[in-house]
Amino acid sequence: SQQGEEDPQALSIQEGENATMNCSYKTSINNLQWYRQNSGRGLVHLILIRSNEREKHSGRLRVTLDTSKKSSSLLITASRAADTASYFCATPRGSTLGRLYFGRGTQLTVWP
Amino acid sequence: DAGVIQSPRHEVTEMGQEVTLRCKPISGHDYLFWYRQTMMRGLELLIYFNNNVPIDDSGMPEDRFSAKMPNASFSTLKIQPSEPRDSAVYFCASSLNSRNEKLFFGSGTQLSVL
Repeated sequence: SQQGEEDPQALSIQEGENATMNCSYKTSINNLQWYRQNSGRGLVHLILIRSNEREKHSGRLRVTLDTSKKSSSLLITASRAADTASYFCATPRGSTLGRLYFGRGTQLTVWP
Repeated sequence: DAGVIQSPRHEVTEMGQEVTLRCKPISGHDYLFWYRQTMMRGLELLIYFNNNVPIDDSGMPEDRFSAKMPNASFSTLKIQPSEPRDSAVYFCASSLNSRNEKLFFGSGTQLSVL
C-alpha cells in the first residue's frame, strides 16, 4: 500500500486565493517531499522537508511537517491559473534514499 | 542539461506484442527508477538501479516485465508479452546520489495495449 495519502482529492479555487493540501503517512520518515504534475507531464520536485524541520518556505510555497501526527501540509499562497496541476507527497520507504512512495495526489484547479 | 529523456512518448500496441520503453537519465546521476502510473493504483515503483545494478525489483508485477541498464546513460523496460492491463503511463526518474533524495522525472511513455 502507498505510504502517503493526500487530502483533499480535488480542490477548486479562484486566482489569488490560497490552496492548502494535506498529506498523511503511516510510518516514521526522515524526510517528506512534494511534487507537482501538470497534465500529460512528468512529476516535478517542489520541496523537501526533513524530519527535524517543522516548516519550510520556497517562494509562494509553504510546507509544514508534524511528525507526531504523521502529517504534512502544502500551502500555495496567492494562487495562479498556472498552479493548476496534481500535487503529490512522497515519503521514503526503507533505508534506501530515493526509494519514494507517492500518494494519490490532490488535483488543484485554479480558475482565472 | 536536457533532463531525463524517455522514448517513445506514446506507444500503441496489440496484446501479445513486445514493448520496449527507453530512458536516458541525467548525466552523473547514480540512481534510476521506473514508475508506473494508473488511475486505479496511482504511482507504483517498479524497479530501481544504483550504478547500473538492479537493487530492488519487487515492484515488477510479473515475469513479463524486465528492466536492464547496460550503461550509465541508458535503461530499458520491456514487457513481453503485453496485455491490456499493462496500459499506463510509465515514468523513468533519476537522482544524483544517495545523499540527494530529489527525483527528476522524464515526461513518461503513454502505453496503450489493445
